[in-house]
Amino acid sequence: DSGVTQTPKHLITATGQRVTLRCSPRSGDLSVYWYQQSLDQGLQFLIQYYNGEERAKGNILERFSAQQFPDLHSELNLSSLELGDSALYFCASSVGGGGTNEKLFFGSGTQLSVL
Amino acid sequence: AQSVAQPEDQVNVAEGNPLTVKCTYSVSGNPYLFWYVQYPNRGLQFLLKYITGDNLVKGSYGFEAEFNKSQTSFHLKKPSALVSDSALYFCAVRDTGTASKLTFGTGTRLQVTL
Repeated sequence: DSGVTQTPKHLITATGQRVTLRCSPRSGDLSVYWYQQSLDQGLQFLIQYYNGEERAKGNILERFSAQQFPDLHSELNLSSLELGDSALYFCASSVGGGGTNEKLFFGSGTQLSVL
Repeated sequence: AQSVAQPEDQVNVAEGNPLTVKCTYSVSGNPYLFWYVQYPNRGLQFLLKYITGDNLVKGSYGFEAEFNKSQTSFHLKKPSALVSDSALYFCAVRDTGTASKLTFGTGTRLQVTL
């Protein structure tokens, strides 16, 4: 068990809808990262938050947004969902701001299916 | 831009035989290299990392990886494979210029059979 908790484990929704994925990092970790894993794109970095502030941005669509709350949990909001958004969404955490020596601890993911 | 290539979608090995999972990288600065493993229905788990120093890095579960700067490679190896090693393996790189962003390869599925 990595200590990173993601909910829900599975999510089935329809095109055009909006969903929220939740992540609780390991105790003491200040950074939260969001990744999208799909068969055709592999593991894509979406965004990182460090202690409540956006730290780094990757291939995140404008329809997607995220935030990190004062208790350090994070939410990833996906709106106007399309079939192609179906993927496994991972949250990871690390102690600091993502320095070179840091390793990431991953949650078990949320499997999103858009029908 | 940094990138990682894992040229093999799948590697098949018999239990007891040595295994190699290949990875090559491209960065503008110095590379910081990682291997992660993903078991079914689980998140990725850290195996090992190369930051600097000895080119041979030892990690969890008997795995090791060899950093080769001239070939820009960081292949994952294990002297004797186990059936329980069967999983999806990801190589990742972090560029010194963009320290926060960890870029993953597409993954290699390792299948170890009896």
